[in-house]
Amino acid sequence: AQSVSQHNHHVILSEAASLELGCNYSYGGTVNLFWYVQYPGQHLQLLLKYFSGDPLVKGIKGFEAEFIKSKFSFNLRKPSVQWSDTAEYFCAVSPSGSSASKIIFGSGTRLSIRP
Amino acid sequence: DVKVTQSSRYLVKRTGEKVFLECVQDMDHENMFWYRQDPGLGLRLIYFSYDVKMKEKGDIPEGYSVSREKKERFSLILESASTNQTSMYLCASNRGAPTEAFFGQGTRLTVV
Repeated sequence: AQSVSQHNHHVILSEAASLELGCNYSYGGTVNLFWYVQYPGQHLQLLLKYFSGDPLVKGIKGFEAEFIKSKFSFNLRKPSVQWSDTAEYFCAVSPSGSSASKIIFGSGTRLSIRP
Repeated sequence: DVKVTQSSRYLVKRTGEKVFLECVQDMDHENMFWYRQDPGLGLRLIYFSYDVKMKEKGDIPEGYSVSREKKERFSLILESASTNQTSMYLCASNRGAPTEAFFGQGTRLTVV
């Protein structure tokens, strides 16, 4: 069965610090990968996605992620965080090859930014 | 803009009641999903539907059923609500892999 692991449950950073959130998945085939963000009181929204091609993908608000196939990883990065990045971040995986595909999420990482 | 609308933001139900959570999407998406979100556990997939009347179990289907009679509507049914089903329930839809999923605002269900 597919699974997604996010090892950091709560990350606390100061403004302007660099961010890296880990995501590892377990699935033997080709996958599509996503990072979603949930700001306090809001619904989940897409930050970025990887389907194929360049393994370094850029998303909204200065976020990027790198797909490393050999490590089954899709870590999220941002060079300099802002207070407004305070949110919960979810990594997700969906098998490719079929349009009727489940999307499996990790347990999330809560990010708190100190002003 | 894609819109996924869940019928209630907050619900309080009694143990043993049959509970219906409704979700409607307005973008003609093939796939619809029901998740529950609990602190520290993230989003766990309950059921998934890839077409009208078609469904697949997710990771935690026990105690739940679903109905998809029309393409735009996906209902989650708690046959006999229990206190351990107190949670935030999220509905989502997409056009099919590899497209992104769009989420509703969630229904916070409390079972007393």
